[in-house]
Amino acid sequence: DAKTTQPPSMDCAEGRAANLPCNHSTISGNEYVYWYRQIHSQGPQYIIHGLKNNETNEMASLIITEDRKSSTLILPHATLRDTAVYYCIVRPTSGGSYIPTFGRGTSLIVHP
Amino acid sequence: DTAVSQTPKYLVTQMGNDKSIKCEQNLGHDTMYWYKQDSKKFLKIMFSYNNKELIINETVPNRFSPKSPDKAHLNLHINSLELGDSAVYFCASSHNRGVNTEAFFGQGTRLTVV
Repeated sequence: DAKTTQPPSMDCAEGRAANLPCNHSTISGNEYVYWYRQIHSQGPQYIIHGLKNNETNEMASLIITEDRKSSTLILPHATLRDTAVYYCIVRPTSGGSYIPTFGRGTSLIVHP
Repeated sequence: DTAVSQTPKYLVTQMGNDKSIKCEQNLGHDTMYWYKQDSKKFLKIMFSYNNKELIINETVPNRFSPKSPDKAHLNLHINSLELGDSAVYFCASSHNRGVNTEAFFGQGTRLTVV
């Protein structure tokens, strides 16, 4: 699996955009970028994933660089409830036995 | 409708006891997982179970054993509980192939060994 690196912590003001970076410089051509978050005392929650193109859903936007070596998760209008640990992982699209493996993630604190 | 459900949510037990945590998913996924999250908040994979293929993290003691009666269930049995087993245990499930292989997690079981 390609490794990912994320800053250990970030903070953001409520109502502003939160931009969470992730480096995955060894990503393979058949690997997707997935983002999850874990709010305190809850199970991790899937947010979004992408391969090459930018993606948007009701929770967030995912911007993937053209060389696919890094990506940014964007929470366009962060709220206090977005305070959580955010995990960026990569996984192949198919084939073999894959196990989602989580690193330390980025602890995002949204303040009033 | 809860996608991945674990029971119990809290479990307090004495050292040396044997306990089980149940997990059920109603998403039709073919792969289920168990993770352990300790006090340092690191989410560590313990087992992956797919179509009767079990993948074990080699660091997991053999006191831990997953049991899958069918594709929708993956229970975790723990023998001879130790203080260091205290943690939050998360069950998850996903498809293993295709475009949408995101994992869905249960709400966790907080195990306290006293």
